[in-house]
Amino acid sequence: QLQLRESGPGLVRPSETLSLTCNVSGGSISSGSYFYTWIRQSPGKGLEWIGSRYYTGGTYYNPSLKSRVTISVDTSNNQFSLILRSVTAADTAIYYCARGLDYEVDSWGQGALVTVSS
Amino acid sequence: NFMLTQPHSVSESPGKTVTISCSRSSGSIATNYVQWYQQRPGRPPTSLIYEDDHRVSGVPDRFSGSIDSSSNSASLTISALKPEDEADYYCQSYDRTYWVFGGGTKLTVL
Repeated sequence: QLQLRESGPGLVRPSETLSLTCNVSGGSISSGSYFYTWIRQSPGKGLEWIGSRYYTGGTYYNPSLKSRVTISVDTSNNQFSLILRSVTAADTAIYYCARGLDYEVDSWGQGALVTVSS
Repeated sequence: NFMLTQPHSVSESPGKTVTISCSRSSGSIATNYVQWYQQRPGRPPTSLIYEDDHRVSGVPDRFSGSIDSSSNSASLTISALKPEDEADYYCQSYDRTYWVFGGGTKLTVL
């Protein structure tokens, strides 16, 4: 059974960089034709797609975040990462990592709350 | 770019059937697959439906998805409602390579 687990600082100062890692266990991140994605949810709000990395190597980002976001895959550690630069209070959210195949998301992480505050 | 619009909330009684709509603002609903997710309070989302009408493995057949080109919308239908179906439901589609989420619908099972 594949498991995803987000990890990273729970508090980030405004204007600094948010960095989260999604550890994948129960399967190899480099096998199969999967995509790996980050989704966030601000307190009391809906889901917002951040970006996705596909097995082809193609990486796509939400246009509203594109200038600040990088998603990368680390096959040696079986994990993928999210970097969000120049954060503000509006970036306070629960950040979820997920994996999918074609159009089906088949595994979700439990989520990591990140608060942006001084 | 298009938007997906869902009703803010719906409610129904146990044992009944409820349908949650997801209206696409521009472009054909049939152009890109629609997915549906369930999120219970305090929990991460889980996948229900992919590619318009395919149930994720393990999802009861009480849940079904469909699209309607005439209304340019997708629908999630839940039959034989149970109290544990009370949750937020989100539709999602694609604009080329970008994911678009609906705003979510809160289902209350009275």
